[in-house]
Amino acid sequence: GAVVSQHPSRVICKSGTSVKIECRSLDFQATTMFWYRQFPKQSLMLMATSNEGSKATYEQGVEKDKFLINHASLTLSTLTVTSAHPEDSSFYICSARRPGQGNGYTFGSGTRLTVV
Amino acid sequence: DAKTTQPTSMDCAEGRAANLPCNHSTISGNEYVYWYRQIHSQGPQYIIHGLKNNETNEMASLIITEDRKSSTLILPHATLRDTAVYYCIGEKAAGNKLTFGGGTRVLVKP
Repeated sequence: GAVVSQHPSRVICKSGTSVKIECRSLDFQATTMFWYRQFPKQSLMLMATSNEGSKATYEQGVEKDKFLINHASLTLSTLTVTSAHPEDSSFYICSARRPGQGNGYTFGSGTRLTVV
Repeated sequence: DAKTTQPTSMDCAEGRAANLPCNHSTISGNEYVYWYRQIHSQGPQYIIHGLKNNETNEMASLIITEDRKSSTLILPHATLRDTAVYYCIGEKAAGNKLTFGGGTRVLVKP
């Protein structure tokens, strides 16, 4: 149980275009989801916290107008990379807290974004 | 969340036990110790967690010292598929975000 599905797994887009990444909790409701970015050989860096029905909370240094987050339902959060540039190429991962006390987080399988 | 310190990398032999240490000397009383691993190009995978007592599940065992300042993740019989980066994280049960450190890059060798 507690599965998070992330789509697409891989995307290539042209510089200047926008890309949307979806994160779904399949068998549980998630009022809060999290978006991470990971560059090669580095650890995961938290970008923002996605809150159902309200604005996302962004970490310091993350441009909210560039990385648009929408959490319109209890099972879906989306991250849109707007006007993508090659430096936005990265591995994007979402996560949600598993139901139950002290049960940790479950993660999506990640999205490899390449901007050309 | 508590700051954790892990070795950057370690090798272990296939079929042998792998013992992964983690220091979390600033952990507070209500913080759990969580272990996740990330296999190349995949999302992190939950392994195990504990508060005070040692824990065991189908994947691993977690040994937490009595003072809770350090812990050891034990993979009882490492396989080549256990090659991954392992993250030790201190997390409050009611915490609302997870912060990753550098983790330990584990290479299981035949």
